[in-house]
Amino acid sequence: SAVISQKPSRDICQRGTSLTIQCQVDSQVTMMFWYRQQPGQSLTLIATANQGSEATYESGFVIDKFPISRPNLTFSTLTVSNMSPEDSSIYLCSVKSTSGGYNEQFFGPGTRLTVL
Amino acid sequence: AQSVTQLDSHVSVSEGTPVLLRCNYSSSYSPSLFWYVQHPNKGLQLLLKYTSAATLVKGINGFEAEFKKSETSFHLTKPSAHMSDAAEYFCVVSEYNNNDMRFGAGTRLTVKP
Repeated sequence: SAVISQKPSRDICQRGTSLTIQCQVDSQVTMMFWYRQQPGQSLTLIATANQGSEATYESGFVIDKFPISRPNLTFSTLTVSNMSPEDSSIYLCSVKSTSGGYNEQFFGPGTRLTVL
Repeated sequence: AQSVTQLDSHVSVSEGTPVLLRCNYSSSYSPSLFWYVQHPNKGLQLLLKYTSAATLVKGINGFEAEFKKSETSFHLTKPSAHMSDAAEYFCVVSEYNNNDMRFGAGTRLTVKP
């Protein structure tokens, strides 16, 4: 298993500003993912972040709006840029474990973002 | 690409009665299937997972799910609901050759006293 922590746990931000969310894992992992959960909605994958390469973004998400860093195998950041109220969501970091040949993903506790 | 459909957005049961949360999946490859639970203001917790072993999977808190390939279903059940089961439940599919998990829209379970 993997234990994931995120900072901040929640924040209230003003429109037009940017917020960087940190994700720390207690073990080295190749693949990290960032998800968004809008109020009352399911989780939507924003991007996949592998160490040593550019993040891969899903349809509807762009690097200028959600730049991601992945400097090593235990850490990643997601920045929400030029925020608007529509960006109010929970942002979750996730890592993939392929031990035993099976897919399993572990999720961080999430960062609850409110944009005024 | 893989996808899941959770057939009920909201399920309401009385305490002590059975729970059934329905999930159908679509996958081009042999899928892995998961159920996650999310309590209010809490993180996601894995309830159980299917990874091509036994088709009847037992999870935590008395939940279980059965993988039925012919019906492309992975319904979640529990014989007797408890008040603490009230939460949002997500069915999730992942293909081994893919790098991500696809979440269903979620089913909100309400448990009445």
